[in-house]
Amino acid sequence: AQSVTQPDIHITVSEGASLELRCNYSYGATPYLFWYVQSPGQGLQLLLKYFSGDTLVQGIKGFEAEFKRSQSSFNLRKPSVHWSDAAEYFCAEVDNNDMRFGAGTRLTVKP
Amino acid sequence: NAGVTQTPKFQVLKTGQSMTLQCAQDMNHEYMSWYRQDPGMGLRLIHYSVGAGITDQGEVPNGYNVSRSTTEDFPLRLLSAAPSQTSVYFCASSYQGYQPQHFGDGTRLSIL
Repeated sequence: AQSVTQPDIHITVSEGASLELRCNYSYGATPYLFWYVQSPGQGLQLLLKYFSGDTLVQGIKGFEAEFKRSQSSFNLRKPSVHWSDAAEYFCAEVDNNDMRFGAGTRLTVKP
Repeated sequence: NAGVTQTPKFQVLKTGQSMTLQCAQDMNHEYMSWYRQDPGMGLRLIHYSVGAGITDQGEVPNGYNVSRSTTEDFPLRLLSAAPSQTSVYFCASSYQGYQPQHFGDGTRLSIL
């Protein structure tokens, strides 16, 4: 079965600084990849998705992600973090109706 | 438009009790799924359904049953609750399994 790895459990950045959250997927064929964000006590909200085509995908709230097949990576980026971005972020991959999530990265934003 | 609605939001059970977590969606989505979320483990798929009358197992199906008699509803049943099933449960839906999913707000379940 495929697996998704998010190497960073917790990241702290200063407000206004850039952000990169790492994600590695395992499914070798054309993957369907997602990033979701979860605020405390809430469900998950889709930030962006990658199915095929342009390897740089734009999402909501100023986020983008780049698909790199050679590195099996789908890292999430934001050029300037806002305090409201503090949340938990999940990378996910779908294979034949089975969606697998990474363990998540908790983002803390310092004033 | 309510999206995905889960009830109850909180529940405490005793070991051995049974209960049903309810999930309903009003978006006419064919695909519905249940996940459990545990600290440090992300979300793990319990069961999913690709349409009314069709269900299948996910990564962690043991101890849970599902059925899908209508497009809108996808209840999750715990037959005999165990402390290991203490978790936050999320229901989600989408047009198809590979499409982005819409999540409910979760049910926080504690089993004593």
